[in-house]
Amino acid sequence: EAGVTQFPSHSVIEKGQTVTLRCDPISGHDNLYWYRRVMGKEIKFLLHFVKESKQDESGMPNNRFLAERTGGTYSTLKVQPAELEDSGVYFCASTELSTDTQYFGPGTRLTVL
Amino acid sequence: QQQVKQSPQSLIVQKGGISIINCAYENTAFDYFPWYQQFPGKGPALLIAIRPDVSEKKEGRFTISFNKSAKQFSLHIMDSQPGDSATYFCAARGRGTDKLIFGTGTRLQVFP
Repeated sequence: EAGVTQFPSHSVIEKGQTVTLRCDPISGHDNLYWYRRVMGKEIKFLLHFVKESKQDESGMPNNRFLAERTGGTYSTLKVQPAELEDSGVYFCASTELSTDTQYFGPGTRLTVL
Repeated sequence: QQQVKQSPQSLIVQKGGISIINCAYENTAFDYFPWYQQFPGKGPALLIAIRPDVSEKKEGRFTISFNKSAKQFSLHIMDSQPGDSATYFCAARGRGTDKLIFGTGTRLQVFP
């Protein structure tokens, strides 16, 4: 069974540009989460989808971040316009409904110059 | 304000030794405490988890010790191996929510 996949693995952009990250959860997993780790700090929750609905977006830093999950399958996280402090590793995780274990993808390393 | 405090930041252990990583939390509404292991280039993967109704959980060489009154929990890796070299994250989850609150991570290096 394929795990959580994320694309791209790395992205280097300039301040003010737009970047879109993609996450494909494990097939059949209705819960999808986005997290971010800024260098050396904790992994921080960004938001949680149940199917295509946003269940909890309390961790989204500001309105420059837009997450979507059309059709309840893959999800995208767009940063527009990117700022220097957006640099970090963005992780996606997924689970089946009513289970504890969150399965993480390998992450997308975003560098904003 | 960090809700889960993890220490140490890095740890060097000799092969065969015991690795101990500690975490402390403030929120008494947390009801699930997982530990994640992350190898370079990979995402975090669940290693072992505990709920606050038990004081210890063991899976192979990995043990979680949980002290509810002190609001602390720790990961013990017995007979540490070079293959255990990774970054370890403790986490906590509040009752009725799905989001995990992570510690800052511990980079473990096990030398032969």
